[in-house]
Amino acid sequence: EAGVVQSPRYKIIEKKQPVAFWCNPISGHNTLYWYLQNLGQGPELLIRYENEEAVDDSQLPKDRFSAERLKGVDSTLKIQPAELGDSAVYLCASSRTTSGREAGELFFGEGSRLTVL
Amino acid sequence: LAKTTQPISMDSYEGQEVNITCSHNNIATNDYITWYQQFPSQGPRFIIQGYKTKVTNEVASLFIPADRKSSTLSLPRVSLSDTAVYYCLVGPPEYSSASKIIFGSGTRLSIRP
Repeated sequence: EAGVVQSPRYKIIEKKQPVAFWCNPISGHNTLYWYLQNLGQGPELLIRYENEEAVDDSQLPKDRFSAERLKGVDSTLKIQPAELGDSAVYLCASSRTTSGREAGELFFGEGSRLTVL
Repeated sequence: LAKTTQPISMDSYEGQEVNITCSHNNIATNDYITWYQQFPSQGPRFIIQGYKTKVTNEVASLFIPADRKSSTLSLPRVSLSDTAVYYCLVGPPEYSSASKIIFGSGTRLSIRP
């Protein structure tokens, strides 16, 4: 079974430039997450999708960040314009929709490391 | 929100058993306890999950006392490849409220020869 695929793995840009990250979740996983991870810290949720609907984007800085998940499969996270403080690893994860008392498991991609100069 | 507290770092040697304890005093009745492992330049990977008592899989064991206010991840006979960051998470089932699941800073486990 193929895992969560992210691209690019690494991206170096100058501040004020735009950048986009792409994520392909595990087939059949309805839920998709974008996390931000700063050096030495745990992942922080940016946005969560249930199919194509963004059900939790309360932590997404909407002035410069945007995300979409057209057709409920692949997703793109965009930053425009990028700032120095956006340097971090952007992780995508997916999970199956569970019900009852079964707790879900998050499957993460390898992440996209962004460096803003 | 059920916040977790775990040691910042731990050191051990190959072949030893390592126990990492996590405190979660405000755990809710329907919260599960989940542990993830993260290697450098990789995303976190699920290790084990439990609700109460003891859970064991091929990788680790998870011990949860009756009051559920803490849990202990036990790694038997660690090797150098177990060097990683381990995160303790507490949250509701279904991950329908993922925003309430906080990774924290994790425990950096270093295994020495």
